Amino acid sequence: DSGVTQTPKHLITATGQRVTLRCSPRSGDLSVYWYQQSLDQGLQFLIQYYNGEERAKGNILERFSAQQFPDLHSELNLSSLELGDSALYFCASSVDRLAGSSYNEQFFGPGTRLTVL
Amino acid sequence: DAKTTQPTSMDCAEGRAANLPCNHSTISGNEYVYWYRQIHSQGPQYIIHGLKNNETNEMASLIITEDRKSSTLILPHATLRDTAVYYCIVRRSYNQGGKLIFGQGTELSVKP
Repeated sequence: DSGVTQTPKHLITATGQRVTLRCSPRSGDLSVYWYQQSLDQGLQFLIQYYNGEERAKGNILERFSAQQFPDLHSELNLSSLELGDSALYFCASSVDRLAGSSYNEQFFGPGTRLTVL
Repeated sequence: DAKTTQPTSMDCAEGRAANLPCNHSTISGNEYVYWYRQIHSQGPQYIIHGLKNNETNEMASLIITEDRKSSTLILPHATLRDTAVYYCIVRRSYNQGGKLIFGQGTELSVKP
């Protein structure tokens, strides 16, 4: 158990719909990362939040957005869903306080499996 | 962040050491080598990381060549539960974090 929780575990929805995925980081971790894993694209970084602020963006579509709340949990919002958005979505957290330290490894949650029909 | 090259797949007999190679010939001086693994659709799991010295923890050992252009992850006594995809990632260590760029990894099959 990594200490990172994600809900829901599974989500089945229809094209055009909107869903929200939730992530609770490990206690004390300031950074939350979102990754998407699909069969054809592998594991891809979407976005990072650090202590409530967006820190880095990856291959995140404009239909997707995220935020990190004052209690450091994060939500990933996916809208106007398409069939190709079906994937595993992972959240990871990291302390990220000290450069060059061993605290910068990321701990991943169990993922949310999204199926768009 | 530097690019890495890993074999697509490897087999290992249960109880034997699994040696997983990784090439990162363009690594720069401030970049670390990280290893993660993913067991069948679970979240990736951190294994170990290092800068230039060899490292060991309860899960594995990491051997980095002197020129830092390649490294080897060693699982000393592989078990069936070590069957997974292993990712070698090179990245800088930021004080406010940094994304992980996953390649295709090495699919390790541990066989009885």
